Amino acid sequence: GAVVSQHPSRVICKSGTSVKIECRSLDFQATTMFWYRQFPKKSLMLMATSNEGSKATYEQGVEKDKFLINHASLTLSTLTVTSAHPEDSSFYICSAILPRQGGSVEKLFFGSGTQLSVL
Amino acid sequence: LAKTTQPISMDSYEGQEVNITCSHNNIATNDYITWYQQFPSQGPRFIIQGYKTKVTNEVASLFIPADRKSSTLSLPRVSLSDTAVYYCLVGALKADKLIFGTGTRLQVFP
Repeated sequence: GAVVSQHPSRVICKSGTSVKIECRSLDFQATTMFWYRQFPKKSLMLMATSNEGSKATYEQGVEKDKFLINHASLTLSTLTVTSAHPEDSSFYICSAILPRQGGSVEKLFFGSGTQLSVL
Repeated sequence: LAKTTQPISMDSYEGQEVNITCSHNNIATNDYITWYQQFPSQGPRFIIQGYKTKVTNEVASLFIPADRKSSTLSLPRVSLSDTAVYYCLVGALKADKLIFGTGTRLQVFP
């Protein structure tokens, strides 16, 4: 089946540093990817829509200068948490749309997530 | 994207059939219904997707009534490993922002 690879799975960093998270579609091209944030025992919150070759679309309340998204190729989107602070600690998840194949419709697949801990 | 409503939690025992219903009264003509399973500290995993009537795969069945205002995920003979959060998503994917509802936390007991 379609695979979305997310790396790293866990990162611990000092306050003030920047952290980059990668999301790759391994066996298909994804023109659109999504980034989510999830707090413990809560649902996923959409942060932004990443479009290949254009600027990301951020949800209301998400700081685009804090969460930099780059979708430079059809198989890679990156989320950079700039100048991270403890309140940015969270579980970040990416997803990608598997295009229509044969008789099936588009499907959304998710990465395994990245647990960010900012000290 | 159609707003969805699911029960917050459900309990079951091993070997039982579990049915989780999702309400989506504002579903649009082009919207599909997709269910995901999420374990702690993992990304959601695709379970099943459908548009109308019934869809079945190796892990679950999805029942969608004619008005499509709700859908039911059916898990036959659950095991302890089915303990997870289950989300239903309704939308046309490419056109929509993909907003998750609360999900249903299923706890399976021995």
